[in-house]
Amino acid sequence: GAVVSQHPSWVICKSGTSVKIECRSLDFQATTMFWYRQFPKQSLMLMATSNEGSKATYEQGVEKDKFLINHASLTLSTLTVTSAHPEDSSFYICSAPDGPGNTIYFGEGSWLTVV
Amino acid sequence: DQQVKQNSPSLSVQEGRISILNCDYTNSMFDYFLWYKKYPAEGPTFLISISSIKDKNEDGRFTVFLNKSAKHLSLHIVPSQPGDSAVYFCAAGGGATNKLIFGTGTLLAVQP
Repeated sequence: GAVVSQHPSWVICKSGTSVKIECRSLDFQATTMFWYRQFPKQSLMLMATSNEGSKATYEQGVEKDKFLINHASLTLSTLTVTSAHPEDSSFYICSAPDGPGNTIYFGEGSWLTVV
Repeated sequence: DQQVKQNSPSLSVQEGRISILNCDYTNSMFDYFLWYKKYPAEGPTFLISISSIKDKNEDGRFTVFLNKSAKHLSLHIVPSQPGDSAVYFCAAGGGATNKLIFGTGTLLAVQP
């Protein structure tokens, strides 16, 4: 079946540095991918919609200059957390629909810890 | 404003019994609803979905019921197994965007 893969699974970075998380659709093309964040014991919160060939669409309250999203190809979207702070530590998950209106598949998630 | 709500943060059920997970929503424009299962430190796994034009969808041990007038859906798992222990999220979506709005999740514990 369709698979969405994220890399890295775990990352620890120093405060003030930037970190990139990749999201790949392995056996289907995705013109749209979604990035979510989950804080402990809370729901998945949509951060932004990544659009291949155009700018990402950010949800209200999400800083687009801090969370840079690039949909480089039909199988790859990247999320870069710039100038990371400890409060950015969270579980980041991407997802991609296998076609319009089809089931949405999720990546394994990436744990970010900013120290 | 929480458009999708799961009012029970946790549920404990005996193995072999039925687990019923509930979800309420406020936006009548949602076209479809999904249930996801999530283990700690892993991404959610799709379980089952239902279109707004249906009131029931069944897949093996999992059945989702939709009551549009009450803006309520539920996931039934029968018989429950210890491996079903996880956090279950309901999600709703609509239109052409494929954006999903998630509930806060319910932690299901199936006791052997």
